[in-house]
Amino acid sequence: EVVLTQSPGTLSLSPGERATLSCRASQSVTSNFLAWFQQKPGQAPRLLIYGASSRATGIPDRFSGSGSGTDFTLTISRLEPEDFAVYYCHQYSSSPITFGQGTKLEI
Amino acid sequence: EVQLVQSGGGLVQPGGSLRLSCVVSGFTFSSSWMSWVRQAPGRGLAWVASINQDGSQVSYADSLKGRFTISRDNVKNSLHLQMNSLRVEDTAVYYCAGGGSSSWSYWGQGTLVTVSS
Repeated sequence: EVVLTQSPGTLSLSPGERATLSCRASQSVTSNFLAWFQQKPGQAPRLLIYGASSRATGIPDRFSGSGSGTDFTLTISRLEPEDFAVYYCHQYSSSPITFGQGTKLEI
Repeated sequence: EVQLVQSGGGLVQPGGSLRLSCVVSGFTFSSSWMSWVRQAPGRGLAWVASINQDGSQVSYADSLKGRFTISRDNVKNSLHLQMNSLRVEDTAVYYCAGGGSSSWSYWGQGTLVTVSS
């Protein structure tokens, strides 16, 4: 099983700042089948990034993904008030499909 | 407009059964790998099961094998999760997901399953 470890657990920043979220896999994620989701309270997850670095449809370009193998990063270049939420990384390259434990981005 | 409309959640006693459904519109369901994901109260996301486009390949989280069954009806554009022998620890919001470039682009609104006596 590919274990995804996200850091930090909580990230406290202000609007306008840059956010860097990390996701480390216990084994290499093949073909970069690594995605990032945003989830707000009471809402379904929203796909931000797939294939490690491809933005999903309608996602602002302040969101970017990078990395390969076992180390992946989600960067939000300039935080907007609506970006404060929980973020999950997710690998779908091997079964069982797994999610990281989440990073809470708070104001 | 893409829509995944879920139904079938509710309160059930331990040992009971429930069938969740997810009706899809707005994208080509029959060409899409589909999945179920759940989220226990206050917890993170956990994968439940996935099914390929024609239903010939299914996979499950190890802890759920033998109790949960994923299926699909490509005529009715619907995805299902049959849940048997439910346990208190199965209490969660269940989401259907699929479609798009990554097969994870679109999500249902979620349906709450509560297992309690």
